[in-house]
Amino acid sequence: DAKTTQPNSMESNEEEPVHLPCNHSTISGTDYIHWYRQLPSQGPEYVIHGLTSNVNNRMASLAIAEDRKSSTLILHRATLRDAAVYYCILRDGNAGKSTFGDGTTLTVKP
Amino acid sequence: EADIYQTPRYLVIGTGKKITLECSQTMGHDKMYWYQQDPGMELHLIHYSYGVNSTEKGDLSSESTVSRIRTEHFPLTLESARPSHTSQYLCASSGPGTGASINSPLHFGNGTRLTVT
Repeated sequence: DAKTTQPNSMESNEEEPVHLPCNHSTISGTDYIHWYRQLPSQGPEYVIHGLTSNVNNRMASLAIAEDRKSSTLILHRATLRDAAVYYCILRDGNAGKSTFGDGTTLTVKP
Repeated sequence: EADIYQTPRYLVIGTGKKITLECSQTMGHDKMYWYQQDPGMELHLIHYSYGVNSTEKGDLSSESTVSRIRTEHFPLTLESARPSHTSQYLCASSGPGTGASINSPLHFGNGTRLTVT
């Protein structure tokens, strides 16, 4: 499985936008980019996913580089409830097994 | 909403006991997965299934076994629990990869936190 690389931690102020980066230089043409977040004592929660084009949903936006070797999860206005570990993973076109990395721990300051 | 259920939520058990961790989903998903996660660490895939009677081992070697006799049910069994099995076990499912739902997201349960004494 292709690997992803994320910063270990990031901080943000409440109400400000947050840009969480992810590098996936070995991505294959059929890999989708997925983002999940995990709150303490819970299972990961789906946030967003995309293939080539930028994507928006009610939770966040996903910006995908033209060469697809990196992507950025954008939280438009961080809230205290957005504090979590954010995972960027690659899933193949058949939605098979996926490998999680260490993720980014996001701290949101009031 | 909880469409994927794991029981028990917490389990403390003695060494040598046989245990089964239950996982059920009501979404009709064909693919199901078991991940193992130690506190503050990443998730490791230990088993997965693409459908009934299909099971495969994941990236992390595990002494546990799984079965998939029904679409909605994917239990994980440890024949003889050891302290090294102490961890959180997370079950997930995803839908069929065809048409509009190709590459559908993973849906996770809230996990079973296992402690073996």
